[in-house]
Amino acid sequence: QKEVEQNSGPLSVPEGAIASLNCTYSDRGSQSFFWYRQYSGKSPELIMSIYSNGDKEDGRFTAQLNKASQYVSLLIRDSQPSDSATYLCAVKEGRRALTFGSGTRLQVQP
Amino acid sequence: KAGVTQTPRYLIKTRGQQVTLSCSPISGHRSVSWYQQTPGQGLQFLFEYFSETQRNKGNFPGRFSGRQFSNSRSEMNVSTLELGDSALYLCASSLTGSAEQYFGPGTRLTVT
Repeated sequence: QKEVEQNSGPLSVPEGAIASLNCTYSDRGSQSFFWYRQYSGKSPELIMSIYSNGDKEDGRFTAQLNKASQYVSLLIRDSQPSDSATYLCAVKEGRRALTFGSGTRLQVQP
Repeated sequence: KAGVTQTPRYLIKTRGQQVTLSCSPISGHRSVSWYQQTPGQGLQFLFEYFSETQRNKGNFPGRFSGRQFSNSRSEMNVSTLELGDSALYLCASSLTGSAEQYFGPGTRLTVT
């Protein structure tokens, strides 16, 4: 079982819709959770970090964390074609290395 | 503030050769991590350095090594290159006590 699981997609949503990206993790001791966006041919860019249960909002992005269910999600409101990218979920426990999921490819259709 | 820089950006090497990649972290960041990214395996952790000490190591063969200098700059070396080493090598830096990592643009290594 992979430590961080994501649906590879592609997840296709129309412009203006809400895109919902999901991630599950196996290590119950995980304490830090991140979402990275990676455009094709570019390096990952940190867009959200979340450390406690609940929601964290930043502009059009909302990260949701449920430690009991070992589940992290990212909502993108008013999706734009420029949001089309691969979204990587990453999880960290203590001083262990950051562990990445394989990413979900998002396509926003104009 | 300047971001993470990596040199070179592109590299073509032949099987059996060795290669050294360089990473300069964001100013003030003392932790540097290295990752290998391939289409089939995704982002795989190589190693992490903090204050010139290797803090974590991923599951890669001994051909992959790294080091960090007193100015926090880091290098990674791959010896006896294999075709399967062709990948995007990414460096990320973070502030002391922070888990947030910021990536450089990467070095695209092609082994022929």
